[in-house]
Amino acid sequence: DQQVKQNSPSLSVQEGRISILNCDYTNSMFDYFLWYKKYPAEGPTFLISISSIKDKNEDGRFTVFLNKSAKHLSLHIVPSQPGDSAVYFCAASASPGTYKYIFGTGTRLKVLA
Amino acid sequence: ETGVTQTPRHLVMGMTNKKSLKCEQHLGHNAMYWYKQSAKKPLELMFVYSLEERVENNSVPSRFSPECPNSSHLFLHLHTLQPEDSALYLCASSQDLPGAGVNQPQHFGDGTRLSIL
Repeated sequence: DQQVKQNSPSLSVQEGRISILNCDYTNSMFDYFLWYKKYPAEGPTFLISISSIKDKNEDGRFTVFLNKSAKHLSLHIVPSQPGDSAVYFCAASASPGTYKYIFGTGTRLKVLA
Repeated sequence: ETGVTQTPRHLVMGMTNKKSLKCEQHLGHNAMYWYKQSAKKPLELMFVYSLEERVENNSVPSRFSPECPNSSHLFLHLHTLQPEDSALYLCASSQDLPGAGVNQPQHFGDGTRLSIL
C-alpha cells in the first residue's frame, strides 16, 4: 500500500508560469515532508522541506504548502524555468522511532520555452 | 557535486557473478542508506546504517549483502542476482537518522545502473 502518492506522472507548463506539483499521503504520523528533484543520470537532489508544525515554507522560487487535514502537500514553482524540467519526488517521514523516508513515484515536469 | 559518490555508475553482470557497489560520503554524516529504484516504482529502502550499525533491513533477499566498514563508506555486495534485480541503486546519507530529533534531508549519490543478464 503506497503511503505517499503522486497521482500525476507528468506535467507541462509554459516558461514563466506557475508549476504546481501535488502529493497526497495516508499516514497521519508523518511529520516531516521533503521534495527532491532528479535529472536524468543523476541522483535526487534535496529541494525544500516542511515540518508538520508549519503550513508553508518558501525558498526563492519554490514554496511548499502543507494541508494536514487533507493529508496533502504541494510544491509551487514560480516563475517556472526550462532548467526546472526534471522528475520531482515528494517524501515523508514519521518520528520518533522510524528510520524511513517514504517516497512517491515522482512527477515529470517539463517547462516549455 | 553532491558529496556522495557511487561507483561504478553502470554495471552489467550475469546471474552467477559476484560484484560490489561502493558508496562514499564526504559530508561527515552518521547515517547511510541503500535504495532501489525500479521503473515506475517509488524509491524502495533496502538498508539503513547508523554509525556503522545496521538498523534496518527492509525484507531484502540475502543475495544482497551490505557492509559498512566506517561511517564514510557503504558497500552492497551482490551474488547470484535475478533479472528482476535490474534497477538503479542509490546510496544516500544524512546527518542522523530521521526521527532523531532534528529534521534533515538525505543527500543522494548519482546511483549505479545495474543490469542483470
